[in-house]
Amino acid sequence: DTAVSQTPKYLVTQMGNDKSIKCEQNLGHDTMYWYKQDSKKFLKIMFSYNNKELIINETVPNRFSPKSPDKAHLNLHINSLELGDSAVYFCASSQDGVYEQYFGPGTRLTVT
Amino acid sequence: SQQGEEDPQALSIQEGENATMNCSYKTSINNLQWYRQNSGRGLVHLILIRSNEREKHSGRLRVTLDTSKKSSSLLITASRAADTASYFCATGAGGSEKLVFGKGTKLTVNP
Repeated sequence: DTAVSQTPKYLVTQMGNDKSIKCEQNLGHDTMYWYKQDSKKFLKIMFSYNNKELIINETVPNRFSPKSPDKAHLNLHINSLELGDSAVYFCASSQDGVYEQYFGPGTRLTVT
Repeated sequence: SQQGEEDPQALSIQEGENATMNCSYKTSINNLQWYRQNSGRGLVHLILIRSNEREKHSGRLRVTLDTSKKSSSLLITASRAADTASYFCATGAGGSEKLVFGKGTKLTVNP
């Protein structure tokens, strides 16, 4: 069984469009994250939710809005996509009090 | 701001050799973790070392931490072609689940 899953795996879209990426974890973890990995492989945290509450919100444009319908799901909605949004987006999860994070397979977003 | 800096950026070795990667960081930490990323895949947690530990082993992996120098090293012994991947260090400050990742070392193990 997949621990942390993301859909879609690939997303190609045009500038100005709105898109969503979905993430689900079946590990029973309390905390979920979104990371962005750029073309140079630099991985940076964007958001973190603990039991559906936002706890980390890095300097990310307002066009990015995370939504957590329940603690097993954390979706990322992006409005008015820009070329610079092209990257691989990773979802991750962890258990309270345990520092290791479990990552999903990533969603490669290409904005043309 | 970026916390960890891995060194070297790329490393190419022969199967059976040992691979050593280094990580330096800037601020106080609670723990330091190493992750592996195979091409086109997500990150996989390898090992965690807490700030009050100096060395930790897991299978063929050995991690050291020197908090006075704000540095860590990851040693992979008897490397295999399957170890080919990018390796990232990540630091945690404690009291928060936030991890700050370095840029990674790309390891190539030639058969």
